[in-house]
Amino acid sequence: DAKTTQPTSMDCAEGRAANLPCNHSTISGNEYVYWYRQIHSQGPQYIIHGLKNNETNEMASLIITEDRKSSTLILPHATLRDTAVYYCIVRVGDNQGGKLIFGQGTELSVKP
Amino acid sequence: GAVVSQHPSWVICKSGTSVKIECRSLDFQATTMFWYRQFPKQSLMLMATSNEGSKATYEQGVEKDKFLINHASLTLSTLTVTSAHPEDSSFYICSAYSPGKGKIYGYTFGSGTRLTVV
Repeated sequence: DAKTTQPTSMDCAEGRAANLPCNHSTISGNEYVYWYRQIHSQGPQYIIHGLKNNETNEMASLIITEDRKSSTLILPHATLRDTAVYYCIVRVGDNQGGKLIFGQGTELSVKP
Repeated sequence: GAVVSQHPSWVICKSGTSVKIECRSLDFQATTMFWYRQFPKQSLMLMATSNEGSKATYEQGVEKDKFLINHASLTLSTLTVTSAHPEDSSFYICSAYSPGKGKIYGYTFGSGTRLTVV
């Protein structure tokens, strides 16, 4: 079973920041948090991942709480093309090729 | 960047026939490949994990004799749906993992295969 819970859906205004929360209260000390997104009928696209520290790349920022029981994905300036299902995933298993077990994800709708 | 090619992108087959789906890592070697299935309006469900040269490990409830997985090389894994039935109609997605790509592209997904069994 997935180790994460996310809101089913969220709306965001174009140009504003989208903040997507995720709870992973049973995460273990060496388990990474990954974020992917899936646009309809396509394969998931990697966004970002982290262990303890906050991470930032060209797509997004990942904020992980100090107790690691939750995290937030931030899309700083959402565009219409960011409309997708966003999955927060805790990698299960050891570091080399551990499994990504998907939860239900958050359907983000970016509106003009 | 890391690219995973999945072929075919869609296929229609008759009930009772078998269908093979290919998953190739184009610019990296994948030590582990994963196969997922996704029904409409649902999330991805992991079916099996395969390592090059060894038997696949199937998730609970997935029939290994029906979904044959072969990971013949570090760049190719195949999923064969045997004796397909309409309930096997789904979106099948592969993922390739490479420790060499590590932090950024550890897990790369293919674009998926839409299987329709008629």
